[in-house]
Amino acid sequence: GAVVSQHPSWVICKSGTSVKIECRSLDFQATTMFWYRQFPKQSLMLMATSNEGSKATYEQGVEKDKFLINHASLTLSTLTVTSAHPEDSSFYICSGTPLYQETQYFGPGTRLLVL
Amino acid sequence: GENVEQHPSTLSVQEGDSAVIKCTYSDSASNYFPWYKQELGKRPQLIIDIRSNVGEKKDQRIAVTLNKTAKHFSLHITETQPEDSAVYFCAATSSNTGNQFYFGTGTSLTVIP
Repeated sequence: GAVVSQHPSWVICKSGTSVKIECRSLDFQATTMFWYRQFPKQSLMLMATSNEGSKATYEQGVEKDKFLINHASLTLSTLTVTSAHPEDSSFYICSGTPLYQETQYFGPGTRLLVL
Repeated sequence: GENVEQHPSTLSVQEGDSAVIKCTYSDSASNYFPWYKQELGKRPQLIIDIRSNVGEKKDQRIAVTLNKTAKHFSLHITETQPEDSAVYFCAATSSNTGNQFYFGTGTSLTVIP
């Protein structure tokens, strides 16, 4: 199956700092990547859809100025949490969809803890 | 937009028994239905999927059935094993929504040895 990596896997930072999370498709090209947030014992909550070379589409209630998404190539998308606060602490997961497919393949997730 | 409901939220079965998880969807345009397994702290992994032109698909101990008329699809796991214990998510999508997945709320499956 297609492989997606995510880096870092763990981040602990102070309130007010920015954190960048990278999502890479290792063995396929992903025209579309998705960013999710998952709270304990809950489902995946879509934050934004990222298309290569264009601006991300954010879901209602997700602040685009706080969660900056860049999809600069067919294998890399980044999520930057700007001026992070404790309420941003969560598990962030990305996924990618290979060309001409519908299946999403997920990264291993990044656990963010903001102190 | 699409709305996916999943039941039950928790399920406990004895090892060797079968487990069934059901999902319903609202958008008749949805045409692709994947199922994911997520172990604690790990990524969701695709275990089986089905497209709307097929009524049933099987892969060893796992099967998925789809009833387009009733807009529901189900995951069937036979001869359950302790390693099947995890949270299972169903999803629905269509090209009309840019292949955005609409996830169910998840089912926590526990297989008791």
